[in-house]
Amino acid sequence: AQSVTQLDSQVPVFEEAPVELRCNYSSSVSVYLFWYVQYPNQGLQLLLKYLSGSTLVKGINGFEAEFNKSQTSFHLRKPSVHISDTAEYFCAVTTSGTYKYIFGTGTRLKVLA
Amino acid sequence: DAGVIQSPRHEVTEMGQEVTLRCKPISGHDYLFWYRQTMMRGLELLIYFNNNVPIDDSGMPEDRFSAKMPNASFSTLKIQPSEPRDSAVYFCASSPSPGTGVGTEAFFGQGTRLTVV
Repeated sequence: AQSVTQLDSQVPVFEEAPVELRCNYSSSVSVYLFWYVQYPNQGLQLLLKYLSGSTLVKGINGFEAEFNKSQTSFHLRKPSVHISDTAEYFCAVTTSGTYKYIFGTGTRLKVLA
Repeated sequence: DAGVIQSPRHEVTEMGQEVTLRCKPISGHDYLFWYRQTMMRGLELLIYFNNNVPIDDSGMPEDRFSAKMPNASFSTLKIQPSEPRDSAVYFCASSPSPGTGVGTEAFFGQGTRLTVV
């Protein structure tokens, strides 16, 4: 069975600084990986996804993530954050066949002025 | 499309009462998922359907929980009887069929915040 680990529950960062949110997964088969963002009192919105091909994936709002198969990681990065990026970020994994999305516990990003 | 629609947005009920949460998936999506979100346990997958058929309900916490999908445009999650520990935000999500096996993303509703007192 697959699983997802988000090592950081909270990440404070100053505005315009870079940020990396970490995600590691476990699976015995090929995976599809996703990052979602959740703003307060809202549902989850897709930021980006890795299905196949290039390991560097670009998403909305200037975010990008890199799939690293050898390290089983899919870390999310942004070179310069804004106050509006304050939200909770979830990494998720699914596999072909099961098509069952498993989410990490989330990382709360707080951007400070 | 209006997206995944959940109702009600908020529900407050007394312990022991029956609670029914509703979900209308995006038209044309073959998969429907129910998740529960709490501070302690994060986002848990409760059950998911493919073409209205339950595929995996291993995440349903106990027999008090049941879910149905009578047609492609409607699903319910029922808790009977409800308990205070069921208080959480319940999300419904839908996604199109993977087709050739390439995964696609799940689209989430706004959630139902359930409080059992």
